[in-house]
Amino acid sequence: GAVVSQHPSRVICKSGTSVKIECRSLDFQATTMFWYRQFPKKSLMLMATSNEGSKATYEQGVEKDKFLINHASLTLSTLTVTSAHPEDSSFYICSAVGTSGFISYNEQFFGPGTRLTVL
Amino acid sequence: GDSVTQMEGPVTLSEEAFLTINCTYTATGYPSLFWYVQYPGEGLQLLLKATKADDKGSNKGFEATYRKETTSFHLEKGSVQVSDSAVYFCALSSASKIIFGSGTRLSIRP
Repeated sequence: GAVVSQHPSRVICKSGTSVKIECRSLDFQATTMFWYRQFPKKSLMLMATSNEGSKATYEQGVEKDKFLINHASLTLSTLTVTSAHPEDSSFYICSAVGTSGFISYNEQFFGPGTRLTVL
Repeated sequence: GDSVTQMEGPVTLSEEAFLTINCTYTATGYPSLFWYVQYPGEGLQLLLKATKADDKGSNKGFEATYRKETTSFHLEKGSVQVSDSAVYFCALSSASKIIFGSGTRLSIRP
């Protein structure tokens, strides 16, 4: 149980285009989802926290107009990188916190990540 | 702000060797401490955790003790296996967020 998936696992796009990444909790309802960005040989940097049905809370320095986050249901959150540029190339990871009985309160379950390459 | 520092990798060991991956933290208050593991092609998984000073977290032969006096949470395993090859992240909880170290890549030779 407590599986989080991400789609796509890998995407290559042209500069100036927008890319949408999906994060799904497959067997539990996720009240809160987190989006992280991981640079090579660096730690995961929290980008934003999203609660179902409300606006995401962005970390300092993260452009909310560039990284659009939608958490429209208890099992799906999306991250859209708008007008992507090569410096947006990175590994994006989501995590989810759920409420099902088998899940420890506040434990985050992580997706496998999405590798974005902007040409 | 709160932060986590862990030893840089990569770390390469032979099977059955003893493993230590050092982790120290800086935090206000009393955070919970975690070790996460990321196997190739998979998401991060919680390996073990400790919620207060002197607690010892353990799982799959790995152990780590929450040392408040040295602000450390070193990961240890007495005899590693090839299947332990992965990236290990030390982390702490801070204001309902998780702050990660930079990760340590571990490779075990047969």
